[in-house]
Amino acid sequence: GQNIDQPTEMTATEGAIVQINCTYQTSGFNGLFWYQQHAGEAPTFLSYNVLDGLEEKGRFSSFLSRSKGYSYLLLKELQMKDSASYLCAVRDRGGSQGNLIFGKGTKLSVKP
Amino acid sequence: GAGVSQSPSNKVTEKGKDVELRCDPISGHTALYWYRQSLGQGLEFLIYFQGNSAPDKSGLPSDRFSAERTGGSVSTLTIQRTQQEDSAVYLCASSPNRGTEAFFGQGTRLTVV
Repeated sequence: GQNIDQPTEMTATEGAIVQINCTYQTSGFNGLFWYQQHAGEAPTFLSYNVLDGLEEKGRFSSFLSRSKGYSYLLLKELQMKDSASYLCAVRDRGGSQGNLIFGKGTKLSVKP
Repeated sequence: GAGVSQSPSNKVTEKGKDVELRCDPISGHTALYWYRQSLGQGLEFLIYFQGNSAPDKSGLPSDRFSAERTGGSVSTLTIQRTQQEDSAVYLCASSPNRGTEAFFGQGTRLTVV
């Protein structure tokens, strides 16, 4: 079956660094995505990893280890506007397309 | 349009009635996904269309739910004999062939009373 796990909630302080972990067990693998979702809004794309290693994009970085079925999203220099849910998603089979399965999301609260 | 468009944005219906939710994906995107999100919860996969291939319906929760995609573009999600537990936000997303991320519409908030 498909299983994607991430912590339900996290709290961090403005200006700090936070790491949100995601572990997955899927029938196939063709990429891992992180999305940000503010309350009442649609998810928006943050990052994509298909090979092992770290992808950096400004204040956000995402890491993937395929052998461990593990990823994390690193947020640096936290801002109040980073308070949102962060969704980990896996594309579950090869080829140019595949189904996109989401975890339940991690609700991040950034405090002053 | 520039993004994924969903209509209506809000729908209130009486228990037992049928509803149709529409998704207009980004032009040229071959993959289309439907998800359901209950308050404070994650995205529950419903159905996935990829080009002319048979859709992946494995996420549909019951036979009251169905979806079609006409001409490889617009998709309609139909819920028959709605129940109160169907109340949720229904999100549609599309992605391009050989593309990576999926782009989401703003969703339809369905309330069954």
